[in-house]
Amino acid sequence: SQQGEEDPQALSIQEGENATMNCSYKTSINNLQWYRQNSGRGLVHLILIRSNEREKHSGRLRVTLDTSKKSSSLLITASRAADTASYFCATEGNNRLAFGKGNQVVVIP
Amino acid sequence: NAGVTQTPKFQVLKTGQSMTLQCAQDMNHNSMYWYRQDPGMGLRLIYYSASEGTTDKGEVPNGYNVSRLNKREFSLRLESAAPSQTSVYFCASSLADYNEQFFGPGTRLTVL
Repeated sequence: SQQGEEDPQALSIQEGENATMNCSYKTSINNLQWYRQNSGRGLVHLILIRSNEREKHSGRLRVTLDTSKKSSSLLITASRAADTASYFCATEGNNRLAFGKGNQVVVIP
Repeated sequence: NAGVTQTPKFQVLKTGQSMTLQCAQDMNHNSMYWYRQDPGMGLRLIYYSASEGTTDKGEVPNGYNVSRLNKREFSLRLESAAPSQTSVYFCASSLADYNEQFFGPGTRLTVL
């Protein structure tokens, strides 16, 4: 089954710096989604990018999608301590939404 | 709007006991899902319901049953709990299949 794989698995940065995470997948997709999970909480949808889109912005978030390389990146600009969380990519295709294992981001105040 | 609610928040079972996890959404969504989250495994789909009256198996359905009681409610039942079912269970809903999903707060289940 297709599955997003996030890279790096863990990231520690200073407040104010940018954080970049990558996601790779194996098969064709209809869309790719990014979610955030704070410790002990449910996932929160951040952004959805369709297979015919290359870049999308939402506030401090920027997502790119390269279907030829089967990869996506999530950039968080000017990070804040509140951005400390796990970030998951999820790929949708063949009537399935497959989640990656997640990427732990720690923003140090 | 409460969004997606789940009960209970925590549960401890002994091997062989049964229980039902409840989930409800008030967003008039058509699709609902049950996932389990284990350390290092990400989220895995147990069952989903594309619309009221339909349910389908996901990636890891063995040992579970579901009921889409109505458009709002989607329950997950463990008939005979096993230690391998120790996990955090999340319910989610979306307006249509695999669009943006809204998650509940989760149920932390321990099977001894």
